[in-house]
Amino acid sequence: DAGVIQSPRHEVTEMGQEVTLRCKPISGHDYLFWYRQTMMRGLELLIYFNNNVPIDDSGMPEDRFSAKMPNASFSTLKIQPSEPRDSAVYFCASSFGGGAVGELFFGEGSRLTVL
Amino acid sequence: KNQVEQSPQSLIILEGKNCTLQCNYTVSPFSNLRWYKQDTGRGPVSLTIMTFSENTKSNGRYTATLDADTKQSSLHITASQLSDSASYICVVHNAGNNRKLIWGLGTSLGVNP
Repeated sequence: DAGVIQSPRHEVTEMGQEVTLRCKPISGHDYLFWYRQTMMRGLELLIYFNNNVPIDDSGMPEDRFSAKMPNASFSTLKIQPSEPRDSAVYFCASSFGGGAVGELFFGEGSRLTVL
Repeated sequence: KNQVEQSPQSLIILEGKNCTLQCNYTVSPFSNLRWYKQDTGRGPVSLTIMTFSENTKSNGRYTATLDADTKQSSLHITASQLSDSASYICVVHNAGNNRKLIWGLGTSLGVNP
């Protein structure tokens, strides 16, 4: 398996623009997580899905952020409109059996810079 | 408050030397503790997962210990290699209502030749 695949790897955009990050989880995994990583706050869970259904989105910072998982092999994280404080590395991770016991497999991340 | 604190924040050692990274947590109730390695520009990769009943667990040159009574864990790296240069992150799973992973900020390890 190719692992968790994220795109784009790097995105530079201007404030106010829409940003869409994409993720393909490992085949057969039933949980998908979106994380944001910054130097100051480390890794923060934004939202996670179980069998394509959003379970906990309490980490989504505000209404500008939204995430979807239309099927078991694809998820998107959208920021609209983007702001400079959204600049961070966004990781997608997947697991089988959930975060409690399942090992998390991370993608390579999408580095977002909002000017 | 559920927290995970790691020390030192950064560390530089010479190739071939051993080192120990520390993790203290206040997460309760506790389910398991994980150590991840994150290379620069890459996603975190799991090294070990330890449950309440496990005191030590090894993965090659990496050995993790857990003292659930004092809520402390350590990651010992033996005979360090240049490829060990990375950030090492301690993560504790909260078995409470929110069932979330609580992430530390990591220890940045540099191994010099």
